[in-house]
Parts: sequence; structure tokens; C-alpha cells
Amino acid sequence: GENVEQHPSTLSVQEGDSAVIKCTYSDSASNYFPWYKQELGKGPQLIIDIRSNVGEKKDQRIAVTLNKTAKHFSLHITETQPEDSAVYFCAASGVNSGNTPLVFGKGTRLSVIA
Amino acid sequence: EPEVTQTPSHQVTQMGQEVILRCVPISNHLYFYWYRQILGQKVEFLVSFYNNEISEKSEIFDDQFSVERPDGSNFTLKIRSTKLEDSAMYFCAGSGGRSYEQYFGPGTRLTVT
Repeated sequence: GENVEQHPSTLSVQEGDSAVIKCTYSDSASNYFPWYKQELGKGPQLIIDIRSNVGEKKDQRIAVTLNKTAKHFSLHITETQPEDSAVYFCAASGVNSGNTPLVFGKGTRLSVIA
Repeated sequence: EPEVTQTPSHQVTQMGQEVILRCVPISNHLYFYWYRQILGQKVEFLVSFYNNEISEKSEIFDDQFSVERPDGSNFTLKIRSTKLEDSAMYFCAGSGGRSYEQYFGPGTRLTVT
């Protein structure tokens, strides 16, 4: 089955700097890669996703890149703010319909220092 | 904006007791999931549910677990005889139609003593 590895496990950046979180996956059949933000005591919140027919997707300060050949994808947060501090999870699934479980990475705890 | 809701937010139970965790998915969602997250670890898939039956389940989802959608709105996860290792956050999630996006509820923290 699918295995998702995520690095780093913790990341501290100064406010205004960029943060990059990287994930690799094992199953070449995976074609959907969402990123979730989890704040303390809350459920994972979908922040951006990418499908395998796209190499990059951007939404304001957040971007995700996908390299299918290398089986890795990354989350980029620019101009970080203290409210970006949270745990970020990448995930992967081989979606043919809306009914495929996500396999998550172990998470990255991002701390943005003001 | 519609949200997934879960009750209770925190459940404490003794080992061997039955617990039922409840979720109200977003109304136009068709696919429903339960995931769990042991403290400090990754989110793990338990079971998916579509058209009133289980679509897929993980190795974690053994005979002690069951799911149902009793009234077309609530989606429940039952653990028949809880073990200490069932202590975790349990998240309900849903997705609609052909949408791949899964939206998670706030979770129920289950503590088994």
C-alpha cells in the first residue's frame, strides 16, 4: 500500500520568511495530494491540494509543487505569519471517485517566530 | 459555510465499555470516513462508507468497530469493547460526488482508562 514520508518533523522560521515542507510517496498510482493544517485541538483543515495532471498550484501565499517522476510533492508558504504556526500534514490517495482513503504523512510542526 | 460536526468533543470511558462517536456530515456529501490520530502521531484511516455500506476498511477496523448512518444525517462509529490503545482523536470526514476533497470535523477525543 501507499506510504507517505514527510520532512522535516519540526520547522521554525522567522516571520516573513518562507517555509517549505516536503513529502514523498511510494505508490505511483496515487494521483491526489492534499495538504492539511491542524491547529491545536482542531481537526485537519484542507488548505490546498494538487492532482497529478498539474505540476504546480498556487493560492495566495501557499503553493504546492508535484514531481510525479520523483514521487515527491512540497508545500511552500511565503511571507509567513504567526498565524501560520500549526501542524501541517501531507496526504496522498489514488482517487478514481470521491471514495478513496487518504494516507497521511507524520506531520510538520511549523513555528513562525514574530 | 457548512461544517462537519462531531459529538462529544471528549469522551472518557473505562476499558471494556462501549462507546458511540457521532458525526453530522455536510448535507450534500456522499462519502464518509472515520480516521483516528493517536497523540503525536499521524492521522490513520479507519473506514469509508458510501451508499449505506462500508466501502473500504483498514486493518485497525476490526470486529470491535462498526459504523452506521441510522437516519440519513448522523454517521456513527461504535467501539464495542474499548481497549486502552483505542485512546485517540477520532475524526469524521466527508466528501461529495466527484470531489476528491475531504473535509474533517473537529474530532472526538476518546480516553480509555
